[in-house]
Amino acid sequence: GNSVTQMEGPVTLSEEAFLTINCTYTATGYPSLFWYVQYPGEGLQLLLKATKADDKGSNKGFEATYRKETTSFHLEKGSVQVSDSAVYFCALIGGATNKLIFGTGTLLAVQP
Amino acid sequence: GAGVSQSPSNKVTEKGKDVELRCDPISGHTALYWYRQSLGQGLEFLIYFQGNSAPDKSGLPSDRFSAERTGGSVSTLTIQRTQQEDSAVYLCASSLIGTGKTDTQYFGPGTRLTVL
Repeated sequence: GNSVTQMEGPVTLSEEAFLTINCTYTATGYPSLFWYVQYPGEGLQLLLKATKADDKGSNKGFEATYRKETTSFHLEKGSVQVSDSAVYFCALIGGATNKLIFGTGTLLAVQP
Repeated sequence: GAGVSQSPSNKVTEKGKDVELRCDPISGHTALYWYRQSLGQGLEFLIYFQGNSAPDKSGLPSDRFSAERTGGSVSTLTIQRTQQEDSAVYLCASSLIGTGKTDTQYFGPGTRLTVL
C-alpha cells in the first residue's frame, strides 16, 4: 500500500542554518505530495504541495520538489528562523481515495 | 470566512462511556475527513464523507467507532464504550471538492480525548 517515510527527529539547528528534512514515498501511480506543519499549540496547516513530477512547491521560504525518479519530496529552507520551530509532516494522496497518508513527523527546533 | 471548528476542545471520560465529537467544516466544502493523532500511531485516517455519504470508512479501527454527517455540513464522530487506547487527538478536515488529488484539506484544531 501507499506509505510515507520521513527522517526521524528532532532536528536542532541554529538560526540562519540550512534545513533539509528528507521524505520518500511508496505509491502506485502518480500521487500528490504535501508538507503540513504543526506549530506548538496549533492545528495542522498546509505548508506546500506538488501535484505532478518535477513540480516545485514553495511557501514562506520553504521549497520541495516532486522527484519521481527517486520517489522523494525533501523539504528545504535556506535560512531557518526561531519561528520555524514546529513539527513537519510529509504526506501523500494517491490511488482512488482522497485520504492523506502521513509520515511520522519531524520535530524541528531552531535555537537563537 | 471561519475555518474548520471542532468541539469540545478537550474531553475527559471514563472507560466504557460513549463520547461524541463534533466538526463544523468550512462553509461550502463538500468533503469532510476525520483523522486521529496519537503518540503510538502518528496521524491516521479514519473516515471520509462526500456530502452526507461515506465512500471510505476504511480507517475506523473497530465497530465502536461511527460517524455521520447531516445536511452536507456538520459531522459527529461517536465512540462507544471507550477504551484507554482511544485516547488521542481527533482531527477533522474539510476540502472544497473532495475528488482529485489536488484538493487541499484544511484542518480544525482537534479534540483531545482522554479516557481514564
